[in-house]
Amino acid sequence: SQTIHQWPATLVQPVGSPLSLECTVEGTSNPNLYWYRQAAGRGLQLLFYSVGIGQISSEVPQNLSASRPQDRQFILSSKKLLLSDSGFYLCARGYRATNYGYTFGSGTRLTVV
Amino acid sequence: AQSVTQPDIHITVSEGASLELRCNYSYGATPYLFWYVQSPGQGLQLLLKYFSGDTLVQGIKGFEAEFKRSQSSFNLRKPSVHWSDAAEYFCAVGADSGAGSYQLTFGKGTKLSVIP
Repeated sequence: SQTIHQWPATLVQPVGSPLSLECTVEGTSNPNLYWYRQAAGRGLQLLFYSVGIGQISSEVPQNLSASRPQDRQFILSSKKLLLSDSGFYLCARGYRATNYGYTFGSGTRLTVV
Repeated sequence: AQSVTQPDIHITVSEGASLELRCNYSYGATPYLFWYVQSPGQGLQLLLKYFSGDTLVQGIKGFEAEFKRSQSSFNLRKPSVHWSDAAEYFCAVGADSGAGSYQLTFGKGTKLSVIP
């Protein structure tokens, strides 16, 4: 199985509060992992990707950070949320050495109020 | 760098009508091409993919796509749309990002509405 687990499914947080979204993947080891955000009408925005433990590449400078403490765990964090952080956050995995595309998690809907 | 253009932001079709969603890509080598579908509030699901060989690719849910190198296109088609096909559709091109890793570049998506 190449299942991706994301939680929580829905989150409402006040401005200025911290954030932690977790993604864990099953299946083959050493996956490439990705965090995407969808804001209304803006398509998929790649936020971070990781090719291994402790290796994080940031695509867009912003209020968010990512970490990969374990091979199959990818965490998206913020110390202080902004209203503009609201959106739908998706975790995805890619497959090394073969281009089978990505498998996506079911997403987290974050509303910052 | 690779790029993907989906020219139609929103398409509305009647149930039972045929459908074609357009996708144009830019990539210097032989592309790996994908179509994904996203239902509201859900993740993306792979519909079909093209790597090589037959340029007409069959996917799930009755969808197909045709790769046309001369037009740099990979359009998605379905002969008869069902109400359950209402969703957002994303085209993507995959490229080798080095060290055996591949990265997808997504288009901005086309939202499909289906009229009963």
